[in-house]
Amino acid sequence: SQKIEQNSEALNIQEGKTATLTCNYTNYSPAYLQWYRQDPGRGPVFLLLIRENEKEKRKERLKVTFDTTLKQSLFHITASQPADSATYLCALDRGGSYIPTFGRGTSLIVHP
Amino acid sequence: GAVVSQHPSRVICKSGTSVKIECRSLDFQATTMFWYRQFPKQSLMLMATSNEGSKATYEQGVEKDKFLINHASLTLSTLTVTSAHPEDSSFYICSASAGQGSNQPQHFGDGTRLSIL
Repeated sequence: SQKIEQNSEALNIQEGKTATLTCNYTNYSPAYLQWYRQDPGRGPVFLLLIRENEKEKRKERLKVTFDTTLKQSLFHITASQPADSATYLCALDRGGSYIPTFGRGTSLIVHP
Repeated sequence: GAVVSQHPSRVICKSGTSVKIECRSLDFQATTMFWYRQFPKQSLMLMATSNEGSKATYEQGVEKDKFLINHASLTLSTLTVTSAHPEDSSFYICSASAGQGSNQPQHFGDGTRLSIL
């Protein structure tokens, strides 16, 4: 069956460091992968989309990589700030459908 | 741009009550909207795809008579939880894309926290 795996344990890092979050998937051949941020009690907010033919995408302090061989995406936040603390979700298309399927997300806590 | 508004943000009601949740796209037209359910520390679970002017498409295991979806216009979809019971308590979130296609991000409402006593 198709699976999206994100680390269920919270990632704790110190302010100023680079946070790296992982999204692994099995039995998918996604055409694209998306990353969202979700704050407690709020809906997710779209951050970045990367296509299968793109290795890397950047937006300000954010960087996403997509390795279709490893079936993995890495999400990096450089110079992290306490305001970056949130849950980050990855989402993959269902293959042939534009409806994304979401991972359960990884909580990031940036300590001042 | 691409703002989705969801109301109410929180509902507390007695068992047996029906609850309606509204999802509006404020600055774009949404032919399709999506309804999700999310349990604490869990992923978003797609419940149904709401299509303007036609019947909703429900995911496997979601009772269509329990969760009524109406998409009367290009900017409004409603989810009605009929005869709600405590097990229906959850966080319900809607989303919409500003366009079709696999490269379009989802724009989410801020969710509705439903608590059935």
